Order: sequence, then structure tokens, then C-alpha cells
Amino acid sequence: DTAVSQTPKYLVTQMGNDKSIKCEQNLGHDTMYWYKQDSKKFLKIMFSYNNKELIINETVPNRFSPKSPDKAHLNLHINSLELGDSAVYFCASSQGTGTGSAPLHFGNGTRLTVT
Amino acid sequence: GQQVMQIPQYQHVQEGEDFTTYCNSSTTLSNIQWYKQRPGGHPVFLIQLVKSGEVKKQKRLTFQFGEAKKNSSLHITATQTTDVGTYFCAGPTGTASKLTFGTGTRLQVTL
Repeated sequence: DTAVSQTPKYLVTQMGNDKSIKCEQNLGHDTMYWYKQDSKKFLKIMFSYNNKELIINETVPNRFSPKSPDKAHLNLHINSLELGDSAVYFCASSQGTGTGSAPLHFGNGTRLTVT
Repeated sequence: GQQVMQIPQYQHVQEGEDFTTYCNSSTTLSNIQWYKQRPGGHPVFLIQLVKSGEVKKQKRLTFQFGEAKKNSSLHITATQTTDVGTYFCAGPTGTASKLTFGTGTRLQVTL
């Protein structure tokens, strides 16, 4: 069984469209994250949720809206997609309250290409 | 803001040679974590160091946490083609203690 699964694996869409990425973890972790990896491989945190509560919200355009219906799921909705949104988006989870003391378990990533 | 830098950005070695990547933080870290990302894959947790001056080994990999807890290193002895990938250090930074990843070191190993 996959521990952290995200769908879809690939997403190709045009500028201006709205899209969603879904993530689920079956590890029983309390904290989930969205990270963005750009073409230079830099990994940057976007959001983190602990028990459905938003705890980290980095400087991310408000076109990006995370939603956590329960602690096992964290989805990412993106409105009005722009070319610069093209990247690989990783979902991750960890034990604890997300204070950086517990290792992260990453999903396989969603490669988003905006044309 | 807080930064975690790694050097080198890229290293290409012949199989059997040693490899080291260095990680430097602008602030003291409560712990340092290391991850490996294979080409086309996702980051996978390798190890966590907590104590000042701590050294841990995993087979051919040696991890070290600096005395001031602001730097760390990963050394691979006698590299193999299976070591290919990007190695990231990561540590909690900022008031929210978010896990900030280093800039990464991409390792290429050829026969």
C-alpha cells in the first residue's frame, strides 16, 4: 500500500484554467504539507496542515487554496493557472505538529505543465 | 530570511570515488535531516541528526552535524551508480519551524 499518494501524476493544462491535485496518506500522521519543486530542483514549502488546521502559509499567491477535509487528506486547488505555476508539486506528511522535528514522507509528485 | 545552502550544486564522479556534500544554515538548527531524490522520483528520508557534533553511518554513507549546529555534511565512500540522485539537507527554520530544504547537490556517477 502506498503511504502518501497523490493524483494525478501528470497534469497538462492551459493558462487560465483551474485544476486540483489530491493527496491522501495512510500513515496516521497528523501533519500534511504541500511543497513545490521548480526546474532548478529547489524544494519550497507552500502550506502545512495539522489535524485539518492551517499552520504554515508561505508567500503563495491566493490563487492557490489548500483544503483538508480530514487529517488524512490535503488537496490543492489552483485557480487561473499561469505559466510560472509549472513545477512538480509534492504532498508530504509527518508525525507530530509540523515543527520540523519529524521526517517527511513524500508522495510521488504531480508534474504540472501550463501551456 | 533563513537560508540553507549546499555545495557543490553538482558533482560528477567515477564509480569508486568518494563524494561529499556540505550543508550550511544561516541559523542554528535543532536538527538536520538528509533526503535523497532519485531522478524522476520523490525525496526519501535518509537520516536525522540532533546532537552537536553527532556522526552517524549508514553503510557507505557518513553524516555529520557541526558543533555549532549550523552545518552538516554527507560523505559517500566508494560511490556506486545506485548513489546517483540529488541529496538535500533540511532543517527547521523560522518562527513556525517549517522544514526548509537546502539547495541540493546533484550527484552523477559513471563507470
